[in-house]
Formats: sequence, structure tokens, C-alpha cells
Amino acid sequence: NAGVTQTPKFQVLKTGQSMTLQCAQDMNHNSMYWYRQDPGMGLRLIYYSASEGTTDKGEVPNGYNVSRLNKREFSLRLESAAPSQTSVYFCASSEARQGAQYFGPGTRLTVL
Amino acid sequence: DQQVKQNSPSLSVQEGRISILNCDYTNSMFDYFLWYKKYPAEGPTFLISISSIKDKNEDGRFTVFLNKSAKHLSLHIVPSQPGDSAVYFCAAKEAGGSSNTGKLIFGQGTTLQVKP
Repeated sequence: NAGVTQTPKFQVLKTGQSMTLQCAQDMNHNSMYWYRQDPGMGLRLIYYSASEGTTDKGEVPNGYNVSRLNKREFSLRLESAAPSQTSVYFCASSEARQGAQYFGPGTRLTVL
Repeated sequence: DQQVKQNSPSLSVQEGRISILNCDYTNSMFDYFLWYKKYPAEGPTFLISISSIKDKNEDGRFTVFLNKSAKHLSLHIVPSQPGDSAVYFCAAKEAGGSSNTGKLIFGQGTTLQVKP
């Protein structure tokens, strides 16, 4: 039982490049989330998927797209990376009713 | 405007003493409040939660208090240990009924240092 896994752990991109961050959970949770963490800003929600087949914007969705591939997997795509997207990205999953979300180890992304 | 605020960026306490981390919120529609702990280079880990219908929840050394009239919650760690040194985030979930998405709103975090 691995919980929430994320790949890659680290990534360096040049401005304008694209990439996809992968996330998978094995807890049979319905809801999945993508956050970014920046110094002094806490965790800010980028996109979420309340259930398989649905996705919605969070607080900071600009420059990102997501895909809920199946119940287990939720990917985050940067189509044209910008230096402002340098951050640490966390994926999480939950059974919405209980409230507690369980996080992956994060992806540290640097955009030059 | 930030709906969940942690006004103290950092806190330093001596091992064995009590650590009190504070969090304020503005939205009366929150139905669950949670605390997470985060070590460097790791994801946040769930610590303890409290429903809005309660005013206290305890789990070992960790106790969360909720004061709804003041829109304030706090996390008490007694006794504090050096391994508790981490960033602590409070978070709140908005009640959603049948459309409950489980979205959380996080505070900025407080860095706790427990000195041996």
C-alpha cells in the first residue's frame, strides 16, 4: 500500500517547454487534488477532481490543465512553462466526506 | 482575502514544554478543520482534525481546540519533542452537502522548532 505516489521527484524545464506531472493513489479514494506550495503562501489548490470523470478549477488554475485518467490517476500538465511556475507540486486524495486529504511526496519543479 | 490565516510564521519552544499553534478563519461555512505536519522534502501528513460541532479533539500528545465564536482554532502539543520540529498547516473544509468536493483551504504555515 503505497498511498499517493508522484513522478518525477525533480524536474528542470526551460521557459516554453511542456511537461506532465503524474499522480496515482491506491486508497480507492474518489477525490484527487493538485496543489502548489510557494514560500509564505501555504498550499494553493490548482485543480481538483471530486470524482472520476469530473475536474474543476481551484484557486490558481491558469497555465495548467489536468486529466483524471481513471479513479487512481490524476495528471497535471504545463503546456508552456513559465518561471512563475517554479514551485513544489503536491498531489493529494481523499474521501471527501471525511475531509482528510493524503499527500504524495511532491515534485520540485524549476523553470529557467 | 485569506479565509484561513496563521499569523505566526515561526515558533520556538523548549523540549518538554507545550507548543501552541494558532489559526484564524473567516468563513462560517467550514465544517471540518484539520492540522497537517510537513517535514522538508516530504509531503504534508495529516495530524488531527475536528468537526465544527465539537470544541476539542485529542489524540495522544496532540489536542485541537475550536472556538467558533472567535473563529479560532489551536493545536496544542504536550510535551513537545525535537521530532515535532516541522511546518504545521491548518486547513478548513467547506460544508458542501451533496456536492461535497472535500476541498481544503490552507493557512500559510507555522514553522515549529523544538529545542533539546
